[in-house]
Amino acid sequence: GAVVSQHPSRVICKSGTSVKIECRSLDFQATTMFWYRQFPKQSLMLMATSNEGSKATYEQGVEKDKFLINHASLTLSTLTVTSAHPEDSSFYICSARGLAGVSRYEQYFGPGTRLTVT
Amino acid sequence: GQQLNQSPQSMFIQEGEDVSMNCTSSSIFNTWLWYKQDPGEGPVLLIALYKAGELTSNGRLTAQFGITRKDSFLNISASIPSDVGIYFCAGQSGSARQLTFGSGTQLTVLP
Repeated sequence: GAVVSQHPSRVICKSGTSVKIECRSLDFQATTMFWYRQFPKQSLMLMATSNEGSKATYEQGVEKDKFLINHASLTLSTLTVTSAHPEDSSFYICSARGLAGVSRYEQYFGPGTRLTVT
Repeated sequence: GQQLNQSPQSMFIQEGEDVSMNCTSSSIFNTWLWYKQDPGEGPVLLIALYKAGELTSNGRLTAQFGITRKDSFLNISASIPSDVGIYFCAGQSGSARQLTFGSGTQLTVLP
């Protein structure tokens, strides 16, 4: 149980274009989903927290107009990187927290999406 | 903001040896979690700790939630080659239960 998927796993795009990354909780409902960014040999940095049906809360220094987050259902959140630039190239990882029981406290991570902007 | 200091940064050990890593924080956390991340993958939850002083095992892994709620350690006994990877501690706090991650410990197991 507690499986989270991400799509796509890898994407290469040209500078100036937009890219959408999907995060799905496959076998549980997630009231809250989180988006992280990880640069090579570094730890995970939280970008934003999204709750189903409401606006995402962004961490300091993360541009909300550049990283659009939509959490339209209890099993799906999307991150859209708008007008991507090479410095946006990174490993983007989502996680999901469940509704009830132990999974309320534990975050389960997706496999990540490698974004390369050329 | 909250900061987690994780040590050691990297470890090279022989297969069969025991491993210990720890995290300390400048502030209190409600929950401590330990994750393992393989290259190109997302972190996988190993152990979750919910109470100060709690000691929990998962196979060859043992972790403890420090009594002050500002630290945690992870022990791996009798290491095997598949233990190779990066281990992260994470402290959880706040109403949304955001995670703050440590800097990671890169573990290499030599045959």
